Amino acid sequence: KQEVTQIPAALSVPEGENLVLNCSFTDSAIYNLQWFRQDPGKGLTSLLLIQSSQREQTSGRLNASLDKSSGRSTLYIAASQPGDSATYLCAVRLLKAAGNKLTFGGGTRVLVKP
Amino acid sequence: DGGITQSPKYLFRKEGQNVTLSCEQNLNHDAMYWYRQDPGQGLRLIYYSQIVNDFQKGDIAEGYSVSREKKESFPLTVTSAQKNPTAFYLCASNDRGAGLEAFFGQGTRLTVV
Repeated sequence: KQEVTQIPAALSVPEGENLVLNCSFTDSAIYNLQWFRQDPGKGLTSLLLIQSSQREQTSGRLNASLDKSSGRSTLYIAASQPGDSATYLCAVRLLKAAGNKLTFGGGTRVLVKP
Repeated sequence: DGGITQSPKYLFRKEGQNVTLSCEQNLNHDAMYWYRQDPGQGLRLIYYSQIVNDFQKGDIAEGYSVSREKKESFPLTVTSAQKNPTAFYLCASNDRGAGLEAFFGQGTRLTVV
């Protein structure tokens, strides 16, 4: 059974500092990995999607890396801003997942202080 | 704008009552999913459907039912058999192409009163 872990559960940084968010998974036979952002009381917004054949994906200040062999992905957010305060979730889709379902980590709650 | 619309945003249920949560998408996606989110826990899969008129149980289907009569719509009914229905419910969809990227609606918060 795939298990996805995100550590730490919460993180507080001063504005301008780079954010490093970690995601680990137990089964390396993945199809892809997706990072999401969730604001309080809202749905999930897709940030980056990394296919199993890729090592990283970039979008603006966001960069996500994937190391399947070690079962890890890292989301980097450069020059953090107060607007980056949210919960960040990673989710993994296994190669043979029934219904192509996603398995989610518990999330990392980020606070960027002005 | 393409997207997923969930309604209502807030829903209150009395003991012993069935309630239905709506999920509509105009992304032309084949697959749709219902997840439940509880504080301190990750999202858990309730039901999913990969094609019209077909759906499968997820990890926590007891006390829930769904239908998929149209490609655009995947309503979730929370029945009286669900003992702890208070939670945040999220609907998602993905296409078979585009790397199976998942998109989510804005959620429905269900509270038992």
